[in-house]
Amino acid sequence: EAGVAQSPRYKIIEKRQSVAFWCNPISGHATLYWYQQILGQGPKLLIQFQNNGVVDDSQLPKDRFSAERLKGVDSTLKIQPAKLEDSAVYLCASSRDRSSSGNTIYFGEGSWLTVV
Amino acid sequence: AQKITQTQPGMFVQEKEAVTLDCTYDTSDPSYGLFWYKQPSSGEMIFLIYQGSYDQQNATEGRYSLNFQKARKSANLVISASQLGDSAMYFCAMRGANQAGTALIFGKGTTLSVSS
Repeated sequence: EAGVAQSPRYKIIEKRQSVAFWCNPISGHATLYWYQQILGQGPKLLIQFQNNGVVDDSQLPKDRFSAERLKGVDSTLKIQPAKLEDSAVYLCASSRDRSSSGNTIYFGEGSWLTVV
Repeated sequence: AQKITQTQPGMFVQEKEAVTLDCTYDTSDPSYGLFWYKQPSSGEMIFLIYQGSYDQQNATEGRYSLNFQKARKSANLVISASQLGDSAMYFCAMRGANQAGTALIFGKGTTLSVSS
């Protein structure tokens, strides 16, 4: 079974530019998550999708971040315009569904963003 | 609100020794899941072990075991017979069952260094 796929793996942009990250979850996983992990900290949830609907985006900085999962499979996270403090690893994860606390959440390798 | 606390920024151990990584949690949900993830320098979050709040026995997965003490709200990870490849960041995380989101909430992590 293929894991969670993310691209690009690394990105360096100047502040005020835009960037987009792509994620393809494990086949059959209804729930998809985007996490932001700043160096030296634990991941923080940005947004959670159930199929193509948003379940939780309370911690997404909506003035500059947006995410979509139009067909309920792959997802795109966009940042526009980027700020220096957006430098982080953006982790995509997926799980079968959100109905059970025991469903394991599997992560991709992450997209490393450096804003200069 | 749910919270995960990892109080050990770094731990050092020699090969073949056992090591315990501490984790305490706080939640008002009666049903929840506790997870441990390993994050090597490559950035991927690797699932290690899961403990459900109603599980009577401590979870074990190979060299990993979870010392679950519900009354004390602790879920320590025990790695037996440490190997050089165990050097990584380790995160304790929790997932509720009754919240709308049920995304993982992470602690700040513990860096484990294994020496020969």
